[in-house]
Amino acid sequence: GDSVTQMEGPVTLSEEAFLTINCTYTATGYPSLFWYVQYPGEGLQLLLKATKADDKGSNKGFEATYRKETTSFHLEKGSVQVSDSAVYFCAGEYYGNNRLAFGKGNQVVVIP
Amino acid sequence: NAGVTQTPKFRVLKTGQSMTLLCAQDMNHEYMYWYRQDPGMGLRLIHYSVGEGTTAKGEVPDGYNVSRLKKQNFLLGLESAAPSQTSVYFCASSSGLAGETQYFGPGTRLLVL
Repeated sequence: GDSVTQMEGPVTLSEEAFLTINCTYTATGYPSLFWYVQYPGEGLQLLLKATKADDKGSNKGFEATYRKETTSFHLEKGSVQVSDSAVYFCAGEYYGNNRLAFGKGNQVVVIP
Repeated sequence: NAGVTQTPKFRVLKTGQSMTLLCAQDMNHEYMYWYRQDPGMGLRLIHYSVGEGTTAKGEVPDGYNVSRLKKQNFLLGLESAAPSQTSVYFCASSSGLAGETQYFGPGTRLLVL
């Protein structure tokens, strides 16, 4: 079925390191793709999105490019801060009515 | 402008008890959603609504009921709680247009003993 898949496991890295979180999607049509972030004790909030192939979403130093050829929407940031510690979810809009299919999320911990 | 709010923030229930979770949004959004978040499972859609007076089943609807009597409110009910319903519940709302952002509430943590 329609789904998005995130890389397994938490990510721990040092401050100022480069962050990549992989996300791939099933290619049924051309879903809009999103990255949401969840800070400790809070709800999810939109980080960035892309609605068609080759679009690049960016926000707060994070970027992701909608790549049709590899069915991917990987999240990257060049220099992470401790304040970037959170859970990151990839999501795809497949079903109409703005319904989303979420990946399982990745816990990111940035160590000073 | 409060966005999306949820009541209560935390609740403990005994198996078989009932309760209602309330979600309210002040953005005049047509669409509202209830999700549950479990470790290692991401978010799964329980029920959703595309407008006042409408409801529809999502991915995991069993054991839950919903109502959307007013545009700004979306209620999630558990008629007979089970330990498997221990979870964090999130409400979200959106305009419903393709590619639009969903706005999430802060969540309700429910423990069923």
